[in-house]
Amino acid sequence: QLQLQESGPGLVKPSETLSLTCTVSGDSISSSSYYWDWIRQPPGKGLEWIGSIYYSGSTSYNPSLKSRVTISVDTSKNQFSLKMSSVTAADTAIYYCAKKGDYLRPDDYWGQGTLVTVSS
Amino acid sequence: DIVMTQSPDSLAVSVGERATINCKSSQSVLYSSNNKNYLAWYQQKPGQPPKLLIYWASTRESGVPDRFSGSGSGTDFTLTISSLQAEDVAVYYCQQYFNSPPTFGQGTKLEIK
Repeated sequence: QLQLQESGPGLVKPSETLSLTCTVSGDSISSSSYYWDWIRQPPGKGLEWIGSIYYSGSTSYNPSLKSRVTISVDTSKNQFSLKMSSVTAADTAIYYCAKKGDYLRPDDYWGQGTLVTVSS
Repeated sequence: DIVMTQSPDSLAVSVGERATINCKSSQSVLYSSNNKNYLAWYQQKPGQPPKLLIYWASTRESGVPDRFSGSGSGTDFTLTISSLQAEDVAVYYCQQYFNSPPTFGQGTKLEIK
């Protein structure tokens, strides 16, 4: 059974960089055709796709966040990561990592999410 | 970006009754080469991540009860719960994955009347 688990600081100061890691268990992150997503949800609000990565390192980002976001993969640790720079209070959200079966597919496995608060 | 608009924003239905949620996309999400609608529905209960219910607009994910069904094509889609159960209380989201960035509707909150 595939499982995803987000980890990282729950509190980040404004203007600093948010860093999160998603650890995948139950399958290899290098499994063919899978893409790995970051999605966020401000408290009480809707869902926003941040970006995707393939095990090869190929990435795709939401244009609204592209200038501040980097997603990377570490196949040796079966993990992928999110870095978001210059954060503001508007970046306060639950951050989810998720898996989809191909580039243009829905996310069929999700982590439980981790709340990141941006505050001084 | 494709804008997804759901209606209503909230809905209260009695147990055993039918619940219907609508989703409209700002452009067609039907891919003509394979005749598939790139539209999914998710259910999100409080404190939980979204759960995939339906993809390709009408295909139920494995393990999803058959009281959940999806319909529609092009730009207009519907999620129907044929006989509402207490455990169906949740927020429901539609999502297009026709092109990048994938985008979600604003959500519909479903409650028991």
